[in-house]
Amino acid sequence: DIVMTQTPLSSPVTLGQPASISCRSSQSLVHSDGNTYLSWLQQRPGQPPRLLISQISNRFSGVPDRFSGSGAGTDFTLKISRVEAEDVGVYYCMQATQFPRTFGQGTKVEIK
Amino acid sequence: VQLVESGGGLVQPGGSLRLSCAASGFTFSDFSMNWVRLAPGKGLEWISDITRSSSITHYADSVKGRFTISRDNARNSLYLQMNSLRDEDTAVYYCASSTSLLYWGQGTLVTVSS
Repeated sequence: DIVMTQTPLSSPVTLGQPASISCRSSQSLVHSDGNTYLSWLQQRPGQPPRLLISQISNRFSGVPDRFSGSGAGTDFTLKISRVEAEDVGVYYCMQATQFPRTFGQGTKVEIK
Repeated sequence: VQLVESGGGLVQPGGSLRLSCAASGFTFSDFSMNWVRLAPGKGLEWISDITRSSSITHYADSVKGRFTISRDNARNSLYLQMNSLRDEDTAVYYCASSTSLLYWGQGTLVTVSS
C-alpha cells in the first residue's frame, strides 16, 4: 500500500497569514495514464469532507483561489495564501493512483 | 448534487448492517462510487469502491471478505453490506462519488458495541 505522510499534523496560524501543508507518498503517484491522482480534502468541524483540489493542482468548483496545490512524483504541498476563520478544520491528502486509496493522517489547522 | 446515507445504527459485534446512499442531482451511472469512513479520533479511511457498471469492486484489507459494495443505477443508489462487524468498525460512513471523491454525503454513524 502507498503510505501518505503529512507534515505538520497541527498548524496554528494567525488570521491573514499563509499556511502550508506537506504530503509525501511512499512511492510515485504518477499513474500509467500519465496523470497524478493526488487530491486535497478539507473537513470542517461537524461537516463531511469536501474536495478542494484534484490531480495536484486543479481547484474544484467553488474553492477559493487562496487554496493552491503543487508538487510532483512523491512530494506535494497545499498552500493557503491568507488563512480565514472558515479554513479551520482538518486537511487530508489522498492518493487515487493505486488501490487501496490511502489518506494522509490529517493536518489540523487552527487559529492562534 | 446530493448524496444521502442511511442505515447506520447500533449493532452488536458479529452482527450485520446494510448502508444505503441515495444520489440525486447528477448522472449517477456516469461515476464510480466509494465508501469512506471516519472512526472516532482517527483519520479518513477509504474502504471500498465500485465501477460505473458494477463490473469491478475494490476493498481495503480491513473489510475484505466482510463487506460488500453494490449499486443500482436504476434507483440511483449505492449500498454497503457489512457482516461480521467488529468494534473497530465503529465510524461515520460516507459515500463519495468518483475517483477524486468529488461529492460527499453527510455520513451515517455505525456503532458496534455489546
